[in-house]
Order: sequence, then structure tokens, then C-alpha cells
Amino acid sequence: GAVVSQHPSRVICKSGTSVKIECRSLDFQATTMFWYRQFPKQSLMLMATSNEGSKATYEQGVEKDKFLINHASLTLSTLTVTSAHPEDSSFYICSAEKGDQPQHFGDGTRLSIL
Amino acid sequence: EDQVTQSPEALRLQEGESSSLNCSYTVSGLRGLFWYRQDPGKGPEFLFTLYSAGEEKEKERLKATLTKKESFLHITAPKPEDSATYLCAVQAVYNNDMRFGAGTRLTVKP
Repeated sequence: GAVVSQHPSRVICKSGTSVKIECRSLDFQATTMFWYRQFPKQSLMLMATSNEGSKATYEQGVEKDKFLINHASLTLSTLTVTSAHPEDSSFYICSAEKGDQPQHFGDGTRLSIL
Repeated sequence: EDQVTQSPEALRLQEGESSSLNCSYTVSGLRGLFWYRQDPGKGPEFLFTLYSAGEEKEKERLKATLTKKESFLHITAPKPEDSATYLCAVQAVYNNDMRFGAGTRLTVKP
């Protein structure tokens, strides 16, 4: 149980392109979903927290107009990186949480902007 | 500010050589301390949650312990398949956010 699916697993695109990443909780309804960014050999850095039907809460320093989050249902959250540039290249990981249960993570999306 | 520090940064063991990974933390009211395993190019996989000092949890060759300042992940007689990065995270009572440490990269040689 507690499976989180993230898609796509890898994206390579040109600078200026907008990229959408999907995060789905497959076998449970998530009360909260989280988006993280991870640089090589570094820890996960929380970008934003989202609840179904409400606006996401962004961490300090994360541009909400750059990283658009839509939490359409209890099982789906999307992160759109708008007008991506090479400095946005990173490993993006989502997680989902239900109640007091621990967060369960997707397998991440490797984003490479050329 | 909540902080999580993991040590060592990297650890190389021979198969069967037991050792411990450390996670030191400061948090304004601990809701839970979490251990995850992360394989290269994958998301973290949940291992344990610890809630109060003195608590211990075990899973196969892994045992996690908790004090008021730190947690240890003990690995007994590790196998090469235990090679991964082990992440520690804390969650405070005042919000749902988890703060992660930088991880310990464990390599177990056959």
C-alpha cells in the first residue's frame, strides 16, 4: 500500500519550455502533497505544500509564478515549471501524506534544460 | 530553526561488518523522526518513524533508536543490497513539513 506515482521520470527540453510533472497517490487519498527539489549529493529541499482545492504554500525563496502547483483532487497534484532555464535543471520529487501517516514518495523526475 | 545533521557523509563497509549511522537534530517540539532509504535516481523509501526518546524499531538488518538529541540507524551484518543513501528527517509538532538531513551514502562491498 501507499504507492505514489510520478510522471514523467525524465524530461529533456529546450530553454523557455514549460514542463508539467504529475504526482498521483494510487491506492490512497492524500490529505497533503509535497514537492521537493534535490541537487546531486544533497538533501531534499521542500518547495511547497499543497492541499486539495486550496492554494499551495511555498517555502521562502521559491517563486510561485515559476513553479505552478495545481492540486486538482485527493489523488493528483501537478507541478509546472514555467519557462524553464538551465538553472532549473534538477531532480524533482513529490510525496503524499494521509493523516498522521508518514509521507510516501514518488520516484522523482529528472529535469534537464538545455 | 529546525536542523538535522547526519554523519558520516559516506560510509564504506565490508559485507557482514556492522556499523551505525547518526542523525543529530534540533526541533521545536518533535512530532516524529523518520528514516528513509534512497537508491540512485529513485525517491526515498520509508523505513521507520520514531516518536519519543527510548523508542526502538527494527526491520530485517536495520534497527533505529531515538534519544532527545539524536537517532541512530544500526546496520547488523550488512549485505551489498543494503548499499543506498539513508536519509533522516524530523517533523515538528507545529506543522506537517519534514526537514531532511543530507544523508549518509552507504556502500557495502562483497
